[in-house]
Amino acid sequence: DIQLTQSPSSVSASVGDRVTITCRASQGISHWLAWYQQKPGKAPKLLIYAASSLQSGVPSRFSGSGYGTDFTLTITSLQPEDFATYYCQQGTGFPRTFGRGTKVEIK
Amino acid sequence: EVQLLESGGALVQPGGSLRLSCAASGFTFRSYDMTWVRQIPGKGLDWVSSITNDGATTYYADSVKGRFTISKDNSKNTLYLHMNNLRAEDTAVYHCARDLLGSPFFFDKWGQGTLVSVSS
Repeated sequence: DIQLTQSPSSVSASVGDRVTITCRASQGISHWLAWYQQKPGKAPKLLIYAASSLQSGVPSRFSGSGYGTDFTLTITSLQPEDFATYYCQQGTGFPRTFGRGTKVEIK
Repeated sequence: EVQLLESGGALVQPGGSLRLSCAASGFTFRSYDMTWVRQIPGKGLDWVSSITNDGATTYYADSVKGRFTISKDNSKNTLYLHMNNLRAEDTAVYHCARDLLGSPFFFDKWGQGTLVSVSS
């Protein structure tokens, strides 16, 4: 199975900050990676798919990059509604796997 | 508006069975692959099973293979997860999710989930 390692596991940031989250795959997955946002008690929300494609309706301050084994989610100018947990997920073959999550907390 | 509404979660004893349902609306259900993902409260996401749009092909996590069965009734716009021989480690919130059309490797809509608790 492909393992996804996210870092950091948590980050404290202020409104307006730039936040970067990384996801490393245990083997190459081309660009088959997605990022989700989840708030407490809510369903996950797709932000980015195919490593860098912005899902419809998602603000442009979210962006994704990477290929192969190393991927990045960047939030430019963090907004109050962005405090949440973020997960990466790989979509090459089965089983689908998720990273353990990165919690973005208010500083 | 796309809606996915799960039901069927309950408290069940180890070894017991349960059937989860996911009622879909707001989109052409028969055109989409669908997936179940579970989450232990306060923990991360764990893919469980996926099914192709026509129901012909299914995929399972090793941890549930042989115990869980995913199915899809396109006439009722409903996704199911039949769960047998339940174990304590199956305790989680179970979300149904719609696979992204054109890139059915990712999940673009999720339900709120239904809680399954396995305990004696």
